[in-house]
Amino acid sequence: DTGVSQDPRHKITKRGQNVTFRCDPISEHNRLYWYRQTLGQGPEFLTYFQNEAQLEKSRLLSDRFSAERPKGSFSTLEIQRTEQGDSAMYLCASSFSAAEETQYFGPGTRLLVL
Amino acid sequence: QKEVEQNSGPLSVPEGAIASLNCTYSDRGSQSFFWYRQYSGKSPELIMSIYSNGDKEDGRFTAQLNKASQYVSLLIRDSQPSDSATYLCAVNNGFGNEKLTFGTGTRLTIIP
Repeated sequence: DTGVSQDPRHKITKRGQNVTFRCDPISEHNRLYWYRQTLGQGPEFLTYFQNEAQLEKSRLLSDRFSAERPKGSFSTLEIQRTEQGDSAMYLCASSFSAAEETQYFGPGTRLLVL
Repeated sequence: QKEVEQNSGPLSVPEGAIASLNCTYSDRGSQSFFWYRQYSGKSPELIMSIYSNGDKEDGRFTAQLNKASQYVSLLIRDSQPSDSATYLCAVNNGFGNEKLTFGTGTRLTIIP
């Protein structure tokens, strides 16, 4: 399978715990994006990387959230001190960096904070 | 005003008919437009992309873009039950700002 992969697919945690998600993009893609989607809403942009550089962060990304892409390949998204409001589907997408390039989404990680 | 607006539906269409999905956007600088299909519990899957005014056809799908009216639509011909899903309109303004802004999606149900 050469698509975007994400791990884990599901995560249940207790409020206050830290969680980390991983995304492996399509191998030739140098851009990687994180989005969050809650029920009944469209995905909301969180942050994106071009290679290892984090180029933009949304206001939605509070200081409890941190994302890395250390070698320009896979990326991790960590949420510290989780809150119930963090419950959502976390989506990763990747693309080439050329203009008009399509973003392809991974299967997502569904987070439930109890 | 939301940046990308869609009728949330649900939209019900008989099998074999044409389904018409609409989207308006507020940023006149937007350059790229996408339609994604999302089945319940799954991630978005690209259906169509369109960058220039006019129509773009791919099989049973036709995307239409009118930048002057800030309007983009998706037509699905010969609708099939497997087309039942939520359709998300997404927009980006290109030129280095590549994040997608999504609408809330339109839920489409094809009635056999």
